[in-house]
Amino acid sequence: AQSVSQHNHHVILSEAASLELGCNYSYGGTVNLFWYVQYPGQHLQLLLKYFSGDPLVKGIKGFEAEFIKSKFSFNLRKPSVQWSDTAEYFCAVNAYSGGGADGLTFGKGTHLIIQP
Amino acid sequence: EPEVTQTPSHQVTQMGQEVILRCVPISNHLYFYWYRQILGQKVEFLVSFYNNEISEKSEIFDDQFSVERPDGSNFTLKIRSTKLEDSAMYFCATLDGTRFTDTQYFGPGTRLTVL
Repeated sequence: AQSVSQHNHHVILSEAASLELGCNYSYGGTVNLFWYVQYPGQHLQLLLKYFSGDPLVKGIKGFEAEFIKSKFSFNLRKPSVQWSDTAEYFCAVNAYSGGGADGLTFGKGTHLIIQP
Repeated sequence: EPEVTQTPSHQVTQMGQEVILRCVPISNHLYFYWYRQILGQKVEFLVSFYNNEISEKSEIFDDQFSVERPDGSNFTLKIRSTKLEDSAMYFCATLDGTRFTDTQYFGPGTRLTVL
């Protein structure tokens, strides 16, 4: 079974600061990796995903993530955050063999607050 | 952009009562999912549904839970006899399923409160 760890449960940054949210997973096989975001009062939305190929993936709103297989990590980054990035961020994985169709295993989430 | 919708947004019920949570998937999507999030905890996978049958379920999805797609559009989660610990946000998700790298799209959730 897969498991996902997000190290930072609450992060507070000022606007224009750089962001890195950690995500580590454990699984015996190959995985697909996802970052979802939940803005206040809204539903979960996909930020970016990794299935194969270039381990550096770019998503919406200037976010990117790097898959480092040797570290079982998929950290989310943004060079300069905005107040509108205030949200809950979730890392998730499922088994590669199922494509995107298998149930997702989520981390506990990171609550990001951007101060103006 | 098409969206997954869920009704009701909030359901309050007494312990022991049956509840049915409803989801309208994105048109032409083939896979359907239910997840739940107990307050302060992580989002947990419950069940996936494909081709009118359960394709995968977690250990949480015990005999008190059932899913169906009764009319070819709505996808429902039934909890037969609710317990206090069933209080949670329940999210429906759907996936196209025609490409290997598909994305699960989530609905806004139903907040279930069991008293």
